[in-house]
Amino acid sequence: DAEITQSPRHKITETGRQVTLACHQTWNHNNMFWYRQDLGHGLRLIHYSYGVQDTNKGEVSDGYSVSRSNTEDLPLTLESAASSQTSVYFCASSSGLAEGNEQFFGPGTRLTVL
Amino acid sequence: AQKVTQAQTEISVVEKEDVTLDCVYETRDTTYYLFWYKQPPSGELVFLIRRNSFDEQNEISGRYSWNFQKSTSSFNFTITASQVVDSAVYFCALSPEVGTYKYIFGTGTRLKVLA
Repeated sequence: DAEITQSPRHKITETGRQVTLACHQTWNHNNMFWYRQDLGHGLRLIHYSYGVQDTNKGEVSDGYSVSRSNTEDLPLTLESAASSQTSVYFCASSSGLAEGNEQFFGPGTRLTVL
Repeated sequence: AQKVTQAQTEISVVEKEDVTLDCVYETRDTTYYLFWYKQPPSGELVFLIRRNSFDEQNEISGRYSWNFQKSTSSFNFTITASQVVDSAVYFCALSPEVGTYKYIFGTGTRLKVLA
């Protein structure tokens, strides 16, 4: 069965370190998205991609970067982790073949920055 | 402005009660999509329903029903005869701007169903 996976599921890091969160989907979807979930804010879009070599900034992109070298993967990098980036991170994908396709979400990565 | 408002932060009901979760959205687009997702205590996000802006028919799926009213920009979700397994955070989302595929999420409503 097709799926979307994230790794690691839990990560503790220190302020200033570079961290990369992995997202891998086997749906062969064109669109991929990264969100962060914080209490009182719901899910907020960090970065998104509509295909290989395409990346776009979302609502809360400062301090984050992504790259899309193939269809399956969209890694999220925190260049220099800050305590404000402690959050739960979700990756999602959608086919992009038609408007209104639902997004499928990964299980999430809980990141703690000390 | 494009926005989704879920004014109910947390709702508690006793099992078998009916409960309605409110969702109000703002968009200037004439074509858009609305979604509901469920996030149980295990943390994953589960797709429940999609509705496009041209289809105002109410939808029923078992104990779940959705009421879409463009006149009030609302897309409310009702659970009939709630069960403990319905305890979760529920998110409403808007996908405006044809061709962008992005979502704007509400802040979610935490539903607690007490036995």
